[in-house]
Amino acid sequence: EVQLVESGGGLVQPGGSLRLSCAASGFTFSSYWMSWVRQAPGKGLEWVANIKQDGSEKYYVDSVKGRFTISRDNAKNSLYLQMNSLRAEDTAVYYCARGVVTTTKNWFDPWGQGTLVTVSS
Amino acid sequence: DIQMTQSPSSLSASVGDRVTITCQASQDISNYLNWYQQKPGKAPKLLIYDASNLETGVPSRFSGSGSGTDFTFTISSLQPEDIATYYCQQYDNLPPTYTFGQGTKLEIK
Repeated sequence: EVQLVESGGGLVQPGGSLRLSCAASGFTFSSYWMSWVRQAPGKGLEWVANIKQDGSEKYYVDSVKGRFTISRDNAKNSLYLQMNSLRAEDTAVYYCARGVVTTTKNWFDPWGQGTLVTVSS
Repeated sequence: DIQMTQSPSSLSASVGDRVTITCQASQDISNYLNWYQQKPGKAPKLLIYDASNLETGVPSRFSGSGSGTDFTFTISSLQPEDIATYYCQQYDNLPPTYTFGQGTKLEIK
């Protein structure tokens, strides 16, 4: 069974840092793009960042560029999101999602259960 | 950047009703559009990919259509278990980046 399990969320003060992890199982992790998608409380979905299979390409939504860093460890079947200079507007549930990415196809399936990040003093 | 306008933002319908949600892109996106279902407290689930293709295991009462800038998601006969929020998602391939619609919260009347 394909499974994604996020961890590392919690309460952090504005300006602080947090590192999220996503443990993957049930598929060949190194063969897939991976993404982080977030959802602020009561709001819609926002794609945050993604990373290519070998880590050679990374892309970010403008609002997190320069503050967040996505990375992966294929030997550990793990995805990470290092979040620095956190702001109140970064408060959200952060989902890890497997990407199906080809030249003509591109979707997220499946998603993890999410981990809540709260930025507040 | 491409903007996605999804409507309505909420919808109340009866069991057995035909339900339609629309999504409009700010520019031509061909068929680069997916639809997801998110039940309360759960992660989103892929239902439709590339505008009109049903994901494996998804009931046939769900369907999608459209290309270019205008897209439609339909539930042919609403079931109680369909209560959820539905999102359209546009994607670019070069580089791979994504924009979601604002979501449509579907409730049973």
